Amino acid sequence: ETGVTQTPRHLVMGMTNKKSLKCEQHLGHNAMYWYKQSAKKPLELMFVYNFKEQTENNSVPSRFSPECPNSSHLFLHLHTLQPEDSALYLCASSQEAEKLTGELFFGEGSRLTVL
Amino acid sequence: GNSVTQMEGPVTLSEEAFLTINCTYTATGYPSLFWYVQYPGEGLQLLLKATKADDKGSNKGFEATYRKETTSFHLEKGSVQVSDSAVYFCALNIGSQGNLIFGKGTKLSVKP
Repeated sequence: ETGVTQTPRHLVMGMTNKKSLKCEQHLGHNAMYWYKQSAKKPLELMFVYNFKEQTENNSVPSRFSPECPNSSHLFLHLHTLQPEDSALYLCASSQEAEKLTGELFFGEGSRLTVL
Repeated sequence: GNSVTQMEGPVTLSEEAFLTINCTYTATGYPSLFWYVQYPGEGLQLLLKATKADDKGSNKGFEATYRKETTSFHLEKGSVQVSDSAVYFCALNIGSQGNLIFGKGTKLSVKP
């Protein structure tokens, strides 16, 4: 098992669809993150969960809804997205958010296309 | 505010050439600095880091020195290989709830 696994790797959805991205980490970490990677833009932090509690919501629109049922799993629920939401969504984990030494462990990403 | 600026790519080099990717930062406080690398089809992985001024991070032949006086953390490698082709991201952390601030990334292509 790789450290951080994301599914699906590719997703195409219409603007009225509801879909979810899933992330699972096998590293025993307590913090999990969602980042958005768009072309020619810096990675954008979306959400941080530390010990299952959301500690950061970086002004993300409500059409993105995160869920963290336990320290190993993180979901991103998607609803009524816009074409500009098309991007690579990266999940990451670390030991703890407060004591971050900078080493985030990333998954391979879910490539989302909104039609 | 806190930000990272890195040189625009793409950068194309021949094998065994010298590599420099520039990175400068703006930060309040005393950030830790990082380079991450993203190989094609993969997620980002930590390449090296430095947590205080004058520290040198190194890994896989890559080096970067934390220069507080010039607010820089340039990535260097003496002799690149085709396998180094990837996108390189400079990042900083001021310890705020895991919020790493990334640059836009620099794509490196190394030709045989």
